[in-house]
Amino acid sequence: HLQLQESGPGLVKPSETLSLTCTVSGGSISSSNYYWGWIRQPPGKGLEWIGSIYYSGSTYYNPSLKSRVTISVDTSKNQFSLRLTSMTAADTAVYYCARHPTDSRQNLNDAVDIWGQGTMVTVSS
Amino acid sequence: SYELTQPPSVSVSPGQTTRITCSGDALPNQYAYWYQQKPGQAPVVVIKKDSERPSGIPERFSGSSSGTTVTLTISGVQAEDEADYYCQSADSSGTYVVFGGGTKLTVL
Repeated sequence: HLQLQESGPGLVKPSETLSLTCTVSGGSISSSNYYWGWIRQPPGKGLEWIGSIYYSGSTYYNPSLKSRVTISVDTSKNQFSLRLTSMTAADTAVYYCARHPTDSRQNLNDAVDIWGQGTMVTVSS
Repeated sequence: SYELTQPPSVSVSPGQTTRITCSGDALPNQYAYWYQQKPGQAPVVVIKKDSERPSGIPERFSGSSSGTTVTLTISGVQAEDEADYYCQSADSSGTYVVFGGGTKLTVL
C-alpha cells in the first residue's frame, strides 16, 4: 500500500530556509486522482494547511504563507518537496506530508487519506 | 483570510451524546471533513463530505450540515473517543484549504 515519508533537517536557524522532501512509495505520484500536500502542527496547537501540488505542477498555497512557500514535484523520483523561507520560531512544528484525493475538476477540497508520520522541525539558533 | 470556528473544548460522560460544531461562511458551498487526532498520532478522517462515514469508522460517529454550520455528533461516547477533533473545508473559491482550530473532547 502507498506510504509517505518525510525527510529533512530537524533543526533550522532563524532566517534560514527549510527544505523538506516527501518520498512516495508503493504507488505513483503521477496519478490524476490526487493532490500532494504539506500540513503542519505547532506543539500543542492545531493543524495548518501549507499548500498542495498536483502531479502536473499546479500549486495552491495558504495565503498567509504564500510569500515564503514553494512546493515542487519530481515525478522521476516519486517525490514532492517543501521550501519555506525566512524561518522563525513560529514555524516550529511537526510537518506532515499528505495525499488528498481530487476529481475530474481538480477540486482541492477533499479529506487527506494518507499521512506521512510527520517530522518535527525546530527553529532555534 | 477564511476561518472555521470550533469550540476549544467539550466534555461528556461515557454513553452520552456530544456534538461538536464548526462554523464558516463558505460551508453552504464547500464540503466539510472531520478528523480525530490522538496524542502523537496523525489525524484520521471520521466524516467525509459533511455526513459520509468512511469504512472502519464506528456508526456512533455522524455528521450533518445546516447553513454555515456543520456538526460532528458522537453518540454513546466511549473513553477511546477522547481526542482532538478538527474540521476541514475550503474557502468559497475552493483554492484555499482551511482547518478549524480544533476541539478537545474530554470523556469524564
